[in-house]
Amino acid sequence: DAGITQSPRHKVTETGTPVTLRCHQTENHRYMYWYRQDPGHGLRLIHYSYGVKDTDKGEVSDGYSVSRSKTEDFLLTLESATSSQTSVYFCAISAQGGRDEQFFGPGTRLTVL
Amino acid sequence: SQKIEQNSEALNIQEGKTATLTCNYTNYSPAYLQWYRQDPGRGPVFLLLIRENEKEKRKERLKVTFDTTLKQSLFHITASQPADSATYLCALPSGAGSYQLTFGKGTKLSVIP
Repeated sequence: DAGITQSPRHKVTETGTPVTLRCHQTENHRYMYWYRQDPGHGLRLIHYSYGVKDTDKGEVSDGYSVSRSKTEDFLLTLESATSSQTSVYFCAISAQGGRDEQFFGPGTRLTVL
Repeated sequence: SQKIEQNSEALNIQEGKTATLTCNYTNYSPAYLQWYRQDPGRGPVFLLLIRENEKEKRKERLKVTFDTTLKQSLFHITASQPADSATYLCALPSGAGSYQLTFGKGTKLSVIP
């Protein structure tokens, strides 16, 4: 398995609180992605990074921010969590940014009450 | 942006038969297409990538075709087994030269013993 971990694996929080999810890789891949997966919608891209400090928005970026201060870590922050952000969040990594396969982490199940 | 349709939400098939899953796309013609497998509670796992100049690609019991005229990819699992039961996702670049992938919603395959 590609060396990619996510923390926490499960989280329950309340509306209005900030939440940060962490993705850590040991593959030294340049590209990192955050997706959310919901029934009926499939996987949707939130934000991605194409290098340290280089990030861009995906399809569903509203309400989310990201940071990447070093190659191995990509953080996803919900500034003020809402119930609509209850979802399963996956991090993925890629060496060539869309021209090759993506390796996915195990996911974080987030519940916002 | 790319639109993807996997035209079966669920497919049931008898063990030993060939399963055929379909992925149709609109908008621009991608340089390649990918297929992933996802088991419940886990992240997607890459299976195959096929490029626009490749009509067909095989890996063990898996076969993928790519018809850029029809804007369609077919994914075949021959001699299907219950262990092949999973959700299968197709994915394409979100745009020409994009670092992002757009995923279909997936087809849930159940192989019945």
